[in-house]
Amino acid sequence: DAGVIQSPRHEVTEMGQEVTLRCKPISGHNSLFWYRQTMMRGLELLIYFNNNVPIDDSGMPEDRFSAKMPNASFSTLKIQPSEPRDSAVYFCASTRGLNNQETQYFGPGTRLLVL
Amino acid sequence: AQTVTQSQPEMSVQEAETVTLSCTYDTSESDYYLFWYKQPPSRQMILVIRQEAYKQQNATENRFSVNFQKAAKSFSLKISDSQLGDAAMYFCAYSHPRGVGTASKLTFGTGTRLQVTL
Repeated sequence: DAGVIQSPRHEVTEMGQEVTLRCKPISGHNSLFWYRQTMMRGLELLIYFNNNVPIDDSGMPEDRFSAKMPNASFSTLKIQPSEPRDSAVYFCASTRGLNNQETQYFGPGTRLLVL
Repeated sequence: AQTVTQSQPEMSVQEAETVTLSCTYDTSESDYYLFWYKQPPSRQMILVIRQEAYKQQNATENRFSVNFQKAAKSFSLKISDSQLGDAAMYFCAYSHPRGVGTASKLTFGTGTRLQVTL
């Protein structure tokens, strides 16, 4: 079974540009999470969805960040406009939230560099 | 709010030896899950082991085992017979289930970098 798929794996962009990160969760998983990892702040949750509905977006830094999950097999995280401080590794994770199966499986991450 | 503390930024162990990584957490919940994730240089987050708080028995996965002390809110990871491939960042994480059919976020510690020497 394929794991969580993220694209692109690496992204280099210039300040002010729009960036879109993509995630395909594991089939059958009904919860999807977006995390960000930086040296300064460690691993932090940005937003997560249950059954395609956003549950907690309190970690989204500001209005420049937005996330969508139009269906059970696809999610996007968009940054517009991007800034150098957005440089980080962005992880997508999914879990099957049935019977409190709380193990989250992570994708390989997208390494974003904003110049 | 729940917090997870890893007080050892770096640890070192010789190959074939045993090492223990420490983790403490703070929560007012009685039902929760604890995890150890490994992050090698590739940056992939790999689940090492998980523990349900309602289980008294410590979880074990091959060379990896935990010492779960619920009253002390301690959750340490023991790696036996350390191998070069164990070198990585190790993150302790906590999650509190919201209910059947829903998931909740992971709260991570700051990580412990493990070096394995010959």
